[in-house]
Amino acid sequence: DIQLTQSPSFLSASVGDRVTITCRASQGISSYLAWYQQKPGKAPKLLIYAASTLQSGVPSRFSGSGSGTEFTLTISSLQPEDFATYYCQQLNSYPFTFGPGTKVDIK
Amino acid sequence: QVQLQESGPGLVKPSQTLSLTCTVSGGSISSGGYYWSWIRQHPGKGLEWIGYIYYSGSTYYNPSLKSRVTISVDTSKNQFSLKLSSVTAADTAVYYCARARGIAKGRYYFDYWGQGTLVTVSS
Repeated sequence: DIQLTQSPSFLSASVGDRVTITCRASQGISSYLAWYQQKPGKAPKLLIYAASTLQSGVPSRFSGSGSGTEFTLTISSLQPEDFATYYCQQLNSYPFTFGPGTKVDIK
Repeated sequence: QVQLQESGPGLVKPSQTLSLTCTVSGGSISSGGYYWSWIRQHPGKGLEWIGYIYYSGSTYYNPSLKSRVTISVDTSKNQFSLKLSSVTAADTAVYYCARARGIAKGRYYFDYWGQGTLVTVSS
């Protein structure tokens, strides 16, 4: 199985901050990576697929980049509704796997 | 707008079979182009892909659960289902159904999710 790690596992930030989350894969996965946002008690919400393609309806302050084994999710200006946990998912090979998550909390 | 809704017992006894159904509205499973998935999340933990099914009945399962999992589809009801046998406390989790959309053969992400249902395994 392809293992995904995320860093940091937790970050504390303020509204308006630029936030970057990193996802690393245990082997190359080309651009086959997605990012999700999950709020407490809710289902995950797709933000980005194919490493950098913004899902329809997702604000443009979210962006993704990377290929191979290292990927980043950037929130250009953190908004109150962005405080949540973020997961990456590799779709390169079976079984699909998710990262352990990065919780973004209010400073 | 596609919507998915999980249903099934919230409490299952150890060694029994967990059974959940996902009802899809706003789109037809039979139209093709998507796989229909089950994903679970242990309390306070990350996400685990269980498997998925195409409307034709073709399935892919996570090898870690494959011996205990069956996913089936009922296109007449626009539903798909999960059965997980011989459950233990380790199977206590929130179970989500989701639509899997592909960007290439065998490469799928999950664009629509149900709200999730907590299944507790306990006697």
